[in-house]
Amino acid sequence: EIVLTQSPGTLSLSPGERATLSCRASQSVSGSNLAWYQQKPGRAPRLLIYGASSRATGIPDRFSGSGSGTDFTLTINRLEPEDFAVYYCQQYGSSPRTFGQGTKVEIK
Amino acid sequence: EVQLLDSGGGLVQPGGSLRLSCAASGFTFSSYGMSWVRQAPGKGPEWVSAISGGGGTTYYGDSVKGRFTISRDNSKNTMYLQMDSLRAEDTAVYYCATINGYFQYWGQGTLVIVSS
Repeated sequence: EIVLTQSPGTLSLSPGERATLSCRASQSVSGSNLAWYQQKPGRAPRLLIYGASSRATGIPDRFSGSGSGTDFTLTINRLEPEDFAVYYCQQYGSSPRTFGQGTKVEIK
Repeated sequence: EVQLLDSGGGLVQPGGSLRLSCAASGFTFSSYGMSWVRQAPGKGPEWVSAISGGGGTTYYGDSVKGRFTISRDNSKNTMYLQMDSLRAEDTAVYYCATINGYFQYWGQGTLVIVSS
């Protein structure tokens, strides 16, 4: 099973700043089959990025994903108030599908 | 508009059973693989089970294999999760989701609490 480790655990930033979130896999994720989700309290996760860098339908272009192999990054440019949430990465290159433990982006 | 409506959660004693349902609308249900994902309080999501569009192929996570059964009725646009021999560690919000490797559309979740 591929273990995904996200860092940092919490990111304290102000609106307008850039957020850089990391997701490191215990082994290479085949085909860059990595997704990112945003989750707000009491809500289901929302797909942001798939294929490491492709934005899902309706996702603003301030969200971008990059990386391959074992190291992946989610970047949020110019944080908006609605972007403060928890973010999870998930790999689907091998079974079972696994998620990271999350990074909380909070208002500084 | 794609909609997934989870239901069937509740409080159950250890060793008990529960059946979750996921009613789908807004897309051609039989063309999509479907999945259950759960999230324990304060934890990240965990994939539980998946089923192919036609229902002929099923997959389970190791933590639920032999206890949970996934199924679907394409004539009713509904997916199910039969959960037997429930344990305290099965306590979580259970979400249904479409699966294409990643989880594109999600239900609102239904809470399952396993406690005496």
